[in-house]
Amino acid sequence: AAGVIQSPRHLIKEKRETATLKCYPIPRHDTVYWYQQGPGQDPQFLISFYEKMQSDKGSIPDRFSAQQFSDYHSELNMSSLELGDSALYFCASSFSGTSYNEQFFGPGTRLTVL
Amino acid sequence: GDSVTQMEGPVTLSEEACLTINCTYTATGYPSLFWYVQYPGEGLQLLLKATKADDKGSNKGFEATYRKETTSFHLEKGSVQVSDSAVYFCALSDTGFQKLVFGTGTRLLVSP
Repeated sequence: AAGVIQSPRHLIKEKRETATLKCYPIPRHDTVYWYQQGPGQDPQFLISFYEKMQSDKGSIPDRFSAQQFSDYHSELNMSSLELGDSALYFCASSFSGTSYNEQFFGPGTRLTVL
Repeated sequence: GDSVTQMEGPVTLSEEACLTINCTYTATGYPSLFWYVQYPGEGLQLLLKATKADDKGSNKGFEATYRKETTSFHLEKGSVQVSDSAVYFCALSDTGFQKLVFGTGTRLLVSP
């Protein structure tokens, strides 16, 4: 079965650089979520999109922005990177046609900021 | 706001021992409850879920029952294997298609 695809899997950037993370949800899934997991931490919700509109916003820094495109893939843009942005970034997708919110996670993008 | 509290780890067990990882939650609505597992270097995999009170989720020998009266969703397994070694996250999603709120995770280490 198709799963959530994230690219790149690993990314190394310098401080103050920019990064773009991509997420391709499971086919037919219309909702995308982004989470950030610091070392030894639980995943923290950043932002979500439903049908290409922002549906919820969590602890996402102003330096970050995201969008969902017409083909439902999503991109997380990160600017002015800081050392503290080093983390595992997960994308998850779900389908609003079910009665519960089962989110399927991608393998994550590991971002290292030097 | 919504929150999840789970027991701190690591939990260290011998193979074939019984496992219980406690999880309690606070939510304003009627949440769905989940257990996710994360193996070293990998992403999060849904282990089991329960969407309403008294539901029991089960998968791969793991079980958890949605207890509204005690706001709990404890994870249990009767006989653990070395391959169960991982970090287990309890999580909730409140009414509607909202974000997952995770507990801090419990690391399970199973030795032969």
